[in-house]
Formats: sequence, structure tokens, C-alpha cells
Amino acid sequence: NAGVTQTPKFQVLKTGQSMTLQCAQDMNHEYMSWYRQDPGMGLRLIHYSVGAGITDQGEVPNGYNVSRSTTEDFPLRLLSAAPSQTSVYFCASSSLAGAPDTQYFGPGTRLTVL
Amino acid sequence: DAKTTQPPSMDCAEGRAANLPCNHSTISGNEYVYWYRQIHSQGPQYIIHGLKNNETNEMASLIITEDRKSSTLILPHATLRDTAVYYCGQGAGGTSYGKLTFGQGTILTVHP
Repeated sequence: NAGVTQTPKFQVLKTGQSMTLQCAQDMNHEYMSWYRQDPGMGLRLIHYSVGAGITDQGEVPNGYNVSRSTTEDFPLRLLSAAPSQTSVYFCASSSLAGAPDTQYFGPGTRLTVL
Repeated sequence: DAKTTQPPSMDCAEGRAANLPCNHSTISGNEYVYWYRQIHSQGPQYIIHGLKNNETNEMASLIITEDRKSSTLILPHATLRDTAVYYCGQGAGGTSYGKLTFGQGTILTVHP
């Protein structure tokens, strides 16, 4: 199993540009989530999904959209990037059959918005 | 209104036990305590979790106080490879599945 994969690893955007961060998992996990990590702020939940077609907001959802059309994929969309969205983004997944919130994290995407 | 608070950094000698504290000031009765660690800016790695009882696995032990307002992660024999950022968190699972909130992390440095 590849586990949780994220693309791209690095990205630089200009203010106002849009892009999609990709996340995929091959463990047939029902639950997937997106976090952002900023210095001094720890990990903060952006959006999450408990299954295909079901998404919900986390702690910091503004400026981000998500959808879950398949079990495997959970893309994160930035519609109009802002410098405040410069961060490291982690995707995670877990099985609802296992211990709650025992999550497997991807390697991260480092995003810079100029 | 931070839910979990941790010291920003700690040191530990190699081979000694590392005891990392976490305060869970707003934890509710159905929320689990979780610990993750992050090495070299990789994705966080799950370590251990518990609800009320102390727990132990191959990586670490978890001590939760009776009032559940604080927990301690214990690495019994720290090695240089345990140098990392350690995050405590809390989450309810069930209908609140996915709402895992983390503290700001403790940088643990294990020195020879």
C-alpha cells in the first residue's frame, strides 16, 4: 500500500490564483481530512469527510472547498489564493472501524502564496 | 480558548525516560486523548490514545489523570531517533468523528 499520497510536494502561487491540492489513499478508509500547519499554531483542521458525498467544515474552513466523489480521493481547492494561506497542508485518513481519530497522514504540500 | 496546552520544548538524555505533559482543560466525557509525533516536517505519526485508563503499546505509555484534565506521554527509553515534535490532541469519534484538535506541540530533543 502507498498509504496517503499528496501532490504536489511544493507549490508557489500568486495572490488570486486558484489551484487544487490532491490527496489519495489506497487503504479503503472512510474518513479523510485536511489540516494546515503554521508556525506556533500546530495542526488545524480545515475540512473533513466521513465518506463519499459527505463533507463538513473543521476549525478553519474559509477560503477552501472540498468534495468527495470517491472513497480514495479528497481534493482541497483554493479558489482565490491569499498570502494568509501560505502554509504546509497535510491530508489524513482513517478507518471508521478502527480506533476513532487514529489517522494516517500524508507527506504534506508546502504552499507559498506571494 | 485553547483546548490543549503543551510546553514548547523539553530535553531528555538518551536512554532515560521522556515524560511529555499535556493539559486538556476543556475535554469532555466522550473525548479520547491522542498523541502523535512529527519528525523532520514529515506527516504526523500516530503514537497512542486513551479514554480513561492508562495505556501502553510498543511505542509508548499514556497516563491520564482521574479528572482527565491532563495526560502524560512516556517514552520509557528515549533514543536519538525520538527527537521530534510531539502533539497531544483530543477527539470524540462517533458523531464528532474527525474533529480532532491538537495542541501546539512540544519539541523533544534527545541528546547523547
